[in-house]
Amino acid sequence: EPEVTQTPSHQVTQMGQEVILRCVPISNHLYFYWYRQILGQKVEFLVSFYNNEISEKSEIFDDQFSVERPDGSNFTLKIRSTKLEDSAMYFCASTHPGHTDTQYFGPGTRLTVL
Amino acid sequence: AQSVAQPEDQVNVAEGNPLTVKCTYSVSGNPYLFWYVQYPNRGLQFLLKYITGDNLVKGSYGFEAEFNKSQTSFHLKKPSALVSDSALYFCAVRHYGGGADGLTFGKGTHLIIQP
Repeated sequence: EPEVTQTPSHQVTQMGQEVILRCVPISNHLYFYWYRQILGQKVEFLVSFYNNEISEKSEIFDDQFSVERPDGSNFTLKIRSTKLEDSAMYFCASTHPGHTDTQYFGPGTRLTVL
Repeated sequence: AQSVAQPEDQVNVAEGNPLTVKCTYSVSGNPYLFWYVQYPNRGLQFLLKYITGDNLVKGSYGFEAEFNKSQTSFHLKKPSALVSDSALYFCAVRHYGGGADGLTFGKGTHLIIQP
């Protein structure tokens, strides 16, 4: 069964550094999403992406964040200058264009900012 | 704004007994409702959804959920719990016709099945 994959599984970085989290959505999916889950808290929506542009974003998704689909398979989340409070699990999700109601999630990338 | 409430941080059930994990929601218009399960150090796995139609929906691993519009609830149920059902369960909502809208999640409920 096709799956959303994410790399790396764990990223450790210094405060102020840039990080790029990578996702490979399911191949025939066209809607892409990023969520984050701070340890012990609920999953929070960050951004959705369709047709090479942002569809919706939450108030968390400020100017420090950006998303990109650099090629036909990858979907990336960039954090320009990481803060301690960016430490979280980041999940990528995707949906099929004919079934946009169901989002399929990847295993997540744990980001630790020191 | 839409929101989801999962009133129980933890639910303990003996193996073989029925289980219920509670969820209530608030959304403008008709809701899309979902249950996801998260095992330790794993991502979110889709369990089931309510979009329209029958109020009782069936999903993976023997789980089902009942949509109750008047009570704005979408409780997750299973007739006979297994130890392997122990995990963190999230209820989520999105408003109908939202296209690429993000999901709003509850805070999660730890389900512990005791042998």
